[in-house]
Amino acid sequence: LAKTTQPISMDSYEGQEVNITCSHNNIATNDYITWYQQFPSQGPRFIIQGYKTKVTNEVASLFIPADRKSSTLSLPRVSLSDTAVYYCLVGDNFGNAGNMLTFGGGTRLMVKP
Amino acid sequence: GAGVSQSPRYKVAKRGQDVALRCDPISGHVSLFWYQQALGQGPEFLTYFQNEAQLDKSGLPSDRFFAERPEGSVSTLKIQRTQQEDSAVYLCASSLEIAGGSGELFFGEGSRLTVL
Repeated sequence: LAKTTQPISMDSYEGQEVNITCSHNNIATNDYITWYQQFPSQGPRFIIQGYKTKVTNEVASLFIPADRKSSTLSLPRVSLSDTAVYYCLVGDNFGNAGNMLTFGGGTRLMVKP
Repeated sequence: GAGVSQSPRYKVAKRGQDVALRCDPISGHVSLFWYQQALGQGPEFLTYFQNEAQLDKSGLPSDRFFAERPEGSVSTLKIQRTQQEDSAVYLCASSLEIAGGSGELFFGEGSRLTVL
């Protein structure tokens, strides 16, 4: 059973705001929501994490509704260098077998000039 | 070093050979993960260590795959009698937190295995 569902791909233009939504209908009470970015030939890189409501850092915002069954990564004013694959993960801190952090297929974002 | 280091970066093996992939996590990180990433796919979980204990190996695709972290730091992923379907990038990640649910996973650049 997939833990997260994201759009396969998205296109945008430089300077636009991009919102990528992830569904996680079976999220557990102790799960956090984390987003990673991956460029070709590199390992994924942490972008942002949240538990509920809104989180903002220097590169992105994360919006989480009250039911926590989805989350939206918002990238303000994207540039060509934001072209990458974005992954949404849910997971806890208990280390229980069978509940490890799992990547889905990710969303391939293409930013055009 | 400052980050997670993996070696070798590239490995070409003939079918049937054994390979060993090494991961040097960030010093002091409790959690260590191995993932397998096929071309165009997301990383697939293989196994998880909390210090030296292998708490989850449910993602290892067959008994040809074996991982260890004997002293709770460096980890080795060994693949015996490699098959063509083992060709992938093997990613190692470490985290200060147990299971990495909160906080951040730090990934290495991966080891790209090609089995001919």
